[in-house]
Amino acid sequence: EAGVAQSPRYKIIEKRQSVAFWCNPISGHATLYWYQQILGQGPKLLIQFQNNGVVDDSQLPKDRFSAERLKGVDSTLKIQPAKLEDSAVYLCASSFPGQVNEQYFGPGTRLTVT
Amino acid sequence: KNQVEQSPQSLIILEGKNCTLQCNYTVSPFSNLRWYKQDTGRGPVSLTIMTFSENTKSNGRYTATLDADTKQSSLHITASQLSDSASYICVVSARKGGSYIPTFGRGTSLIVHP
Repeated sequence: EAGVAQSPRYKIIEKRQSVAFWCNPISGHATLYWYQQILGQGPKLLIQFQNNGVVDDSQLPKDRFSAERLKGVDSTLKIQPAKLEDSAVYLCASSFPGQVNEQYFGPGTRLTVT
Repeated sequence: KNQVEQSPQSLIILEGKNCTLQCNYTVSPFSNLRWYKQDTGRGPVSLTIMTFSENTKSNGRYTATLDADTKQSSLHITASQLSDSASYICVVSARKGGSYIPTFGRGTSLIVHP
């Protein structure tokens, strides 16, 4: 079974530039999550989708971050404009919906903002 | 605001020794609690999951406990191995409508020395 795919794996940009990350979840997983993980901290949930609908985006900085999952499969996360404090690993995860269904994580995208 | 606190922040032990990691949470309404292992540069991988009615769950040398009254959980690692060196993250999910929203702790960094 193929895992969660993410690209790019690494990205270096200057502050005020824009960047986009892509995630392809495991086939059949209706729930998709985007996390921000700053070095030395646990992942912080940015947005959770159920199919193409948003379940929770309470911690998404909506003035600069946006995410979409138009067809209920792939998803993109965009930052515009980027700030230095956005330097982090951006993790995508997916799961079947339900209480005990495990999230499977992708390898992450390491973003460095200079 | 839902919160998950973990202790200690970091831990160094010798190979073969046991250790216990702690997790306290204020998440409502509580749905389930998972422990994840995150190796450096990788996404988290689930070790155990417990719902409200479960007190303990084992996965090989890993044993998790849950006290839903005091809102505390622990992860006990028996006969540690070098490969146990990783970050261990406690994740508590709250029910929101028909979905489950996870809150991650900051993790405990475990280093096992030979």
